[in-house]
Amino acid sequence: DAGVIQSPRHEVTEMGQEVTLRCKPISGHNSLFWYRQTMMRGLELLIYFNNNVPIDDSGMPEDRFSAKMPNASFSTLKIQPSEPRDSAVYFCASNTGGLAANYGYTFGSGTRLTVV
Amino acid sequence: GEDVEQSLFLSVREGDSSVINCTYTDSSSTYLYWYKQEPGAGLQLLTYIFSNMDMKQDQRLTVLLNKKDKHLSLRIADTQTGDSAIYFCAETLYSSASKIIFGSGTRLSIRP
Repeated sequence: DAGVIQSPRHEVTEMGQEVTLRCKPISGHNSLFWYRQTMMRGLELLIYFNNNVPIDDSGMPEDRFSAKMPNASFSTLKIQPSEPRDSAVYFCASNTGGLAANYGYTFGSGTRLTVV
Repeated sequence: GEDVEQSLFLSVREGDSSVINCTYTDSSSTYLYWYKQEPGAGLQLLTYIFSNMDMKQDQRLTVLLNKKDKHLSLRIADTQTGDSAIYFCAETLYSSASKIIFGSGTRLSIRP
């Protein structure tokens, strides 16, 4: 298995532009998580899905952020409009869900977003 | 509430043992984890321990859990330069089995 695949690896955009980050979870994993990592705030859970349904989006910072999971093999995190303070590394992770979720997540390599 | 705390930095001489400590506040934690993050990479699960255990050993890694004090530690024996990374302590709560709460991470650096 290729693991959790995120694209792009790096994204540089101008303030005000729309940014879309993409994630393909491991096949057969039912839960998908979006995290944001910054020096100041560490690793923050933004939102997670179970069986393509958003379960907890309390970590989404504001309405500029939205996430979708149209099917079991694809998810997007969109920022519109983007701001410099959104600059961070965004990670996607997945696991099998349920009790097996206790055995941890598999993380993607992340997308480094820079908003100038 | 949900909170996992770690010291930010640890420096160890090559060949010595590293001990990374973590405290958590929620007594309903079920599983506790150690993740490793190398530069430019995602987090990699190193090991986990169920809350009814007090120790787990896996090759050079030893995890100790003191549930009474809500204290978790990771000991790396014979630390090597390849162990340089950020180590994250994390917990899963009984109330939300799919959600893992991470600490801020401890950056381990190795001195020759």
